[in-house]
Amino acid sequence: DIQMTQSPSFVSASVGDTVTITCRASQDINKWLAWYQQKPGKAPRLLVHDASTLQSGVPSRFSGSGSGTHFSLTIYNLQPEDFASYFCQQAHTYPPVSFGGGTKVDI
Amino acid sequence: HLQEPDPRLLKPSETLSLTCSVSSVAITSDSYYWAWIRQTPEKGLEWIATVHRDGRRYHNPSLQSRISASVDVSGNQVSLKVTSMTITDTAIYYCARLYLGWVDNWGQGILVTVSS
Repeated sequence: DIQMTQSPSFVSASVGDTVTITCRASQDINKWLAWYQQKPGKAPRLLVHDASTLQSGVPSRFSGSGSGTHFSLTIYNLQPEDFASYFCQQAHTYPPVSFGGGTKVDI
Repeated sequence: HLQEPDPRLLKPSETLSLTCSVSSVAITSDSYYWAWIRQTPEKGLEWIATVHRDGRRYHNPSLQSRISASVDVSGNQVSLKVTSMTITDTAIYYCARLYLGWVDNWGQGILVTVSS
């Protein structure tokens, strides 16, 4: 099984800040990584796939990078609607997949 | 559009049966897999199973002995059964569409509570 470890689990930030969340895979997953955003009471929403490709409709202030075992999601110029939880997901073993533990971005 | 039924309350040892209605166009496509994923505050998002319309099934090894996922193409449905439910199975259960490895469409989720 591929384990996905996210850090930090919680980050406190302000509007206009730049926030970076990292995800580490227990083995090389090439670029088979996605990032999701989840707001309270809602299902997650796909933000980034293939480590760095923004899903259609996602603002350009979101940026994904990395390959192999280390990945990051950076949110530039944090907006009020960005305060949410973020999860990474590996698809190296697709159709089975696995998720990171999540990062909550709070004010 | 993935639709799941209303919240469920089960007793320990009971069997959970969930069905998700999906579009007839999507379910007949070879491009998509269909997954069940659950979420708890303690464990976050946990993949349960993935199925394809051609019958291929993949189950989480940690749950494999208790779960069964399937696709009913003619009925436009994806189903999940989990036997011997325990309190630790309390979670929000999502059905989801997988495309090229990513969940591009999520159901709204159903809260399943296991309590005596």
